[in-house]
Amino acid sequence: EVQLLESGGGLVQPGGSLRLSCAASGFAFSSYAMSWLRQAPGKGLEWVSGISGSGGSTYYADSVKGRFTISRDNSKHTLYVQMNSLRAEDTAVYYCAKDVAYGDSLSYGMDVWGQGTTVTVSS
Amino acid sequence: DIQMTQSPSSLSASVGDRVTITCRASQSISRYLNWYQQTPGKAPNLLIYATSTLQSGVPSRFSGSGSGTDFTLTISSLQPEDFATYYCQQGYSTPRTFGQGTRLEIK
Repeated sequence: EVQLLESGGGLVQPGGSLRLSCAASGFAFSSYAMSWLRQAPGKGLEWVSGISGSGGSTYYADSVKGRFTISRDNSKHTLYVQMNSLRAEDTAVYYCAKDVAYGDSLSYGMDVWGQGTTVTVSS
Repeated sequence: DIQMTQSPSSLSASVGDRVTITCRASQSISRYLNWYQQTPGKAPNLLIYATSTLQSGVPSRFSGSGSGTDFTLTISSLQPEDFATYYCQQGYSTPRTFGQGTRLEIK
């Protein structure tokens, strides 16, 4: 069974840092691009960042560019996002998601999502 | 960035009804359009990708169509489990962007 399990969420003060992890199982992890997405309380979905299967290419939303860094360890089947300089508007449930298409490059959509981990930025 | 606009934002319907949700892109996205369903407290679930391809396990009452800038999601006969929020998402370019969502409620 294909599974994604996020961890690392919590309460952090504005300006602080947090690293989220996403443990993958049940599929050839290195053969799929991966993404992080988020959903603020009561709001819609926002794609945050994506990474190719090899990790050689990364992509970011303007809202997090320069503050967030996506990475992956294919030997550990794990996706990460390092979040620095956190702001109140970063408060959200963060999801990791697997790309639909087999291949190194970021494709057009996400077919498997984790259950989410909650990040709260507040003093 | 490509802006995605869904309509309506909310919709009331009854079990058995046929409903259509539309999604418009701010520029042509060819057929790189996906639809997701989300129920409260749960992660989104991919329903349709590449405009009209049903994800494995999704009931055939769901269908999608369109190309370029205008797309539709149709549910042919609403079932109780279909009352949820639906999002379109473009996969033509990064950043991937979503519509604001359509909340489908029971009338």
